[in-house]
Amino acid sequence: TQTVSQSDAHVTVFEGDSVELRCNYSYGGSIYLSWYIQHHGHGLQFLLKYYSGNPVVQGVNGFEAEFSKSDSSFHLRKASVHWSDSAVYFCAVRMSNYNVLYFGSGTKLTVEP
Amino acid sequence: GGIITQTPKFLIGQEGQKLTLKCQQNFNHDTMYWYRQDSGKGLRLIYYSITENDLQKGDLSEGYDASREKKSSFSLTVTSAQKNEMAVFLCASRRDWGEDEQYFGPGTRLTVL
Repeated sequence: TQTVSQSDAHVTVFEGDSVELRCNYSYGGSIYLSWYIQHHGHGLQFLLKYYSGNPVVQGVNGFEAEFSKSDSSFHLRKASVHWSDSAVYFCAVRMSNYNVLYFGSGTKLTVEP
Repeated sequence: GGIITQTPKFLIGQEGQKLTLKCQQNFNHDTMYWYRQDSGKGLRLIYYSITENDLQKGDLSEGYDASREKKSSFSLTVTSAQKNEMAVFLCASRRDWGEDEQYFGPGTRLTVL
């Protein structure tokens, strides 16, 4: 069974700060990694994904994530956050040739003015 | 563009009652999903369907039934509502096999009295 771990349940930063949201996974095979964002009262929206190639992938709204095989990680970063980035962020893992995403427990990002 | 519609937005039922949640998508996507999101936790897969009349159980299928009578719709039935399953139920769809981007509906919040 694969697991997805988001160690920080809550992260609070100020507008303009940089932020890193952490995601670690446990699975040794070929996998796809993705990040989703959930604003309060809404469903999830896809941000970005990684399968192979350049370990740094770019997403929407200035987000990027970096894959590290040695650390089993796929951390999400943004150089300068805006108040509208306040939301819950979910990391997800999918085994190749498999139809199901496994989600982490989420990190709630609060951006203060 | 497309949209996923979930009805009702709020569902209140009595303990032991059979309750049905509905999901419609106009993306013409083949695969649809039902997830349960408990407060402060990640998403857990209840059922998914890769095509009309197909059903696949997820990790949390016990106590639920699902129905995919049309490509555009996917229903979830709580067979006997329990207080410990008060949560938000999210429906999602995905364009192609191997595609990681899932499109989510806004959710149905279930309250059990």
